[in-house]
Amino acid sequence: DADVTQTPRNRITKTGKRIMLECSQTKGHDRMYWYRQDPGLGLRLIYYSFDVKDINKGEISDGYSVSRQAQAKFSLSLESAIPNQTALYFCATSDFSRSNEQFFGPGTRLTVL
Amino acid sequence: GENVEQHPSTLSVQEGDSAVIKCTYSDSASNYFPWYKQELGKRPQLIIDIRSNVGEKKDQRIAVTLNKTAKHFSLHITETQPEDSAVYFCAASISPWGGPGGYNKLIFGAGTRLAVHP
Repeated sequence: DADVTQTPRNRITKTGKRIMLECSQTKGHDRMYWYRQDPGLGLRLIYYSFDVKDINKGEISDGYSVSRQAQAKFSLSLESAIPNQTALYFCATSDFSRSNEQFFGPGTRLTVL
Repeated sequence: GENVEQHPSTLSVQEGDSAVIKCTYSDSASNYFPWYKQELGKRPQLIIDIRSNVGEKKDQRIAVTLNKTAKHFSLHITETQPEDSAVYFCAASISPWGGPGGYNKLIFGAGTRLAVHP
C-alpha cells in the first residue's frame, strides 16, 4: 500500500547536535508538511511544501529548516538541537488535485537532553 | 493569523452515551474544517470534514455541525463504543478556490482526549 514513512522512529540526542528527520512517501502526493505534537498543544505546523520548488514557513519555524529533495522526500533539520525541541514529529502529505485530506506518517519521537 | 480553540480537553463518557467536542475559530475566511482521530501511539487520521457551504454532515455515528455566524463547529459521536477512545483534533483552513486541494494549511486545536468506559 502507498504510505508515508519517517526515519528514524525514535532519536535521543544532546543539546547542540545537528539532527535530520526524514520523510518519504509513495502516495505520489505533491504537498508535504512537518508538524510537531506536544501534550496539550495539539499539532503545530513547522514547514510545508506544495511542490519541489515551494517551501513555506508554518507557525513555529524558528530553529528548524527543511529540504524538499524530490517530490517524494521532505527532510526536517534541527541545526542545533535544544531541550524544548523534545517532541513527537509528524510528516504529512496531501494531493492537491483530489482532496484536502492529509495523510500522516507514523511519527518520530525526538528527545533532546 | 488563524487560531482554533477546542473544548473540552478531556471527556469521559459511558459506552452508549453521546459525546460532543466543540471548536471555535478566529478567521472568518476559513472555509474547511476537518476532524482527525489519533489512537494511542498511532498517527492522526481524518474521520470527517465539512466545508462552509453546508451546515451539517453525517457519517454513520459521527456528525459535524458548523455555525459560520458564531464561528464554531462541533463533532458529535452517538452510541459511543470503547474503540472511540482516542484524542480528537479539530482544524480550520482557508481554501482559496473552495474546493479540493485549494487550501494553504491547517491550524489545529489542542485536542480532546475522549475515554469511553464499558
